[in-house]
Amino acid sequence: AQSVTQLGSHVSVSEGALVLLRCNYSSSVPPYLFWYVQYPNQGLQLLLKYTSAATLVKGINGFEAEFKKSETSFHLTKPSAHMSDAAEYFCAVSNRGGSQGNLIFGKGTKLSVKP
Amino acid sequence: NAGVTQTPKFQVLKTGQSMTLQCAQDMNHEYMSWYRQDPGMGLRLIHYSVGAGITDQGEVPNGYNVSRSTTEDFPLRLLSAAPSQTSVYFCASSARDPIGGYTFGSGTRLTVV
Repeated sequence: AQSVTQLGSHVSVSEGALVLLRCNYSSSVPPYLFWYVQYPNQGLQLLLKYTSAATLVKGINGFEAEFKKSETSFHLTKPSAHMSDAAEYFCAVSNRGGSQGNLIFGKGTKLSVKP
Repeated sequence: NAGVTQTPKFQVLKTGQSMTLQCAQDMNHEYMSWYRQDPGMGLRLIHYSVGAGITDQGEVPNGYNVSRSTTEDFPLRLLSAAPSQTSVYFCASSARDPIGGYTFGSGTRLTVV
């Protein structure tokens, strides 16, 4: 069965510092991987996705993530945090369609940005 | 705008009442699903459907019922609401191959008292 582990339920960084949110997955087949962001009292917005085209994926708002098959990881990074990045971030994994195409989420990481 | 539409946005129910959360998409997506979001638990899959007439259970299906009579609609029914069903509910859809990603509705915040 697929699963996603996000290390750290809360991460706090200073404005301008590097953001690193960790995600490890388990999947029996090459997966699709996603990062979603959720701002307070809002829905989920897709940040970026990995679908096997390139291992380094660039998303919106300056975020990027690197797929590392050997480490079964898909960590999210941003070189310089902004106050507006404060939100909850979810990593998710999906098989490639068919009846097994469910999206399985990690428990989320809440990012705080200090001035 | 194309996308996933959920109604209502907010709902308060009394214990034992029933209700239906509506979800509609206009992207001709085959796959639709329902999630509940609770603090510290992430999003957990309740039920999903891979096409009209086909539904299956996810991780937390108890107390919920679904049907898929059309490609566009995927309602979620609470048969007898319980306080443990207080949550935020999200509907999502994707093409059969989710290479384009999943589209989420804006959510329904449900409180059961």
